[in-house]
Amino acid sequence: DIQMTQSPSTLSASVGDRVTIICRASQSIDSWLAWYQQKPGKAPKLLISKASRLESGVPSRFSGSGSGTELTLTISSLQPDDFASYYCQQYYRYPLTFGGGTKVEIK
Amino acid sequence: EVRLLESGGGLVQPGGSLRLSCAASGFTFSTYAMNWVRQAPGKGLEWVLAISDSGGDTYYADSVKGRFTISRDNSKNTMYLQMNSLRAEDTAVYYCARRIPNYAMDVWGQGTTVTVSS
Repeated sequence: DIQMTQSPSTLSASVGDRVTIICRASQSIDSWLAWYQQKPGKAPKLLISKASRLESGVPSRFSGSGSGTELTLTISSLQPDDFASYYCQQYYRYPLTFGGGTKVEIK
Repeated sequence: EVRLLESGGGLVQPGGSLRLSCAASGFTFSTYAMNWVRQAPGKGLEWVLAISDSGGDTYYADSVKGRFTISRDNSKNTMYLQMNSLRAEDTAVYYCARRIPNYAMDVWGQGTTVTVSS
């Protein structure tokens, strides 16, 4: 199975900060990676697919980059609505696997 | 409107069984693979099962292999999850999500809660 390791697990930041979350895969997944945002009590929401493709309606302050074993999610200027948990997920092969998540908190 | 609606969750004793349903609307159900993803209380997301668009291929996480079965009825636009031999560690919110080949899970249901406890 492909293991996905996210860091940090918790991140404290202020509105306007630039935030980066890293996802490392135990083997190359090319660009077959998605990023999801989840708020408490809600279903996950797809933000980015294929490592860097922004889903329709997702603000341009979100971006994804990388390929292979190290991929990143960047929020260029954190907004109040962005305080949430974020998960990476590889879909290179089954079993699909998620990272452990990153909780973005208000500093 | 594209929508997935899970149902069937509840409280069940260890060793018991439960069947979840995921009803789809607003899109051509038979052209999408479907997945179940669960989230234990206070924990992260865990993919557990998937079924191809035709239902001919299924994929399981090791944690549920031999106990859970995924199926679908494209004539009813519905996917099912039969859960047997339930354990306390199966307690979670269960989400269904759609996926086209080589793509991420782009539409999710609101989830249904399964609690395994005596």
